[in-house]
Amino acid sequence: NAGVTQTPKFRVLKTGQSMTLLCAQDMNHEYMYWYRQDPGMGLRLIHYSVGEGTTAKGEVPDGYNVSRLKKQNFLLGLESAAPSQTSVYFCASSYAATGYTFGSGTRLTVV
Amino acid sequence: KQEVTQIPAALSVPEGENLVLNCSFTDSAIYNLQWFRQDPGKGLTSLLLIQSSQREQTSGRLNASLDKSSGRSTLYIAASQPGDSATYLCAVRMDSSYKLIFGSGTRLLVRP
Repeated sequence: NAGVTQTPKFRVLKTGQSMTLLCAQDMNHEYMYWYRQDPGMGLRLIHYSVGEGTTAKGEVPDGYNVSRLKKQNFLLGLESAAPSQTSVYFCASSYAATGYTFGSGTRLTVV
Repeated sequence: KQEVTQIPAALSVPEGENLVLNCSFTDSAIYNLQWFRQDPGKGLTSLLLIQSSQREQTSGRLNASLDKSSGRSTLYIAASQPGDSATYLCAVRMDSSYKLIFGSGTRLLVRP
């Protein structure tokens, strides 16, 4: 009964490096989301997906790309990391009519 | 544009007190409202989900109410315990979207 699993949990990147954050859910949820959480800014939506093969931009999509090739997985990519992308990243999933289930987060530092 | 506000930003109470956390939103066309708990350095744990047609939900010592017309929700915690210390977030989902809009949270400290 894993729910939403995020990997990795921690990562330090150098400016300009790339990486992919993986989110996996085992609840057969249609909808998946990536949020970032910053002090004083709250939780902000980066990208989301309403089904396999679909993605859409949220509030703060610049510098990120996403893919949803399988229903259970939602990948968040940083092509060229910047210090402004230092944050805690949360993945979440939901059915249309239910609440969200969040993962435990990925703490990313870009130096 | 929907705005979600939580008051107070921080609250410190002695153990055993009953307390109320407030959440207000500017656009009443919500689909549902969800209360979360976040411990320091951890993820969000869902506490209660209230659909727009509901007035309240209860889970153990927690009771959440929703008044759509006035744009308010409250989270009532009975007989608070030190283990209740955390940040409490409310979030609304609009009728027209799948996205959650979060408040900035209330940081609760329950003193032994």
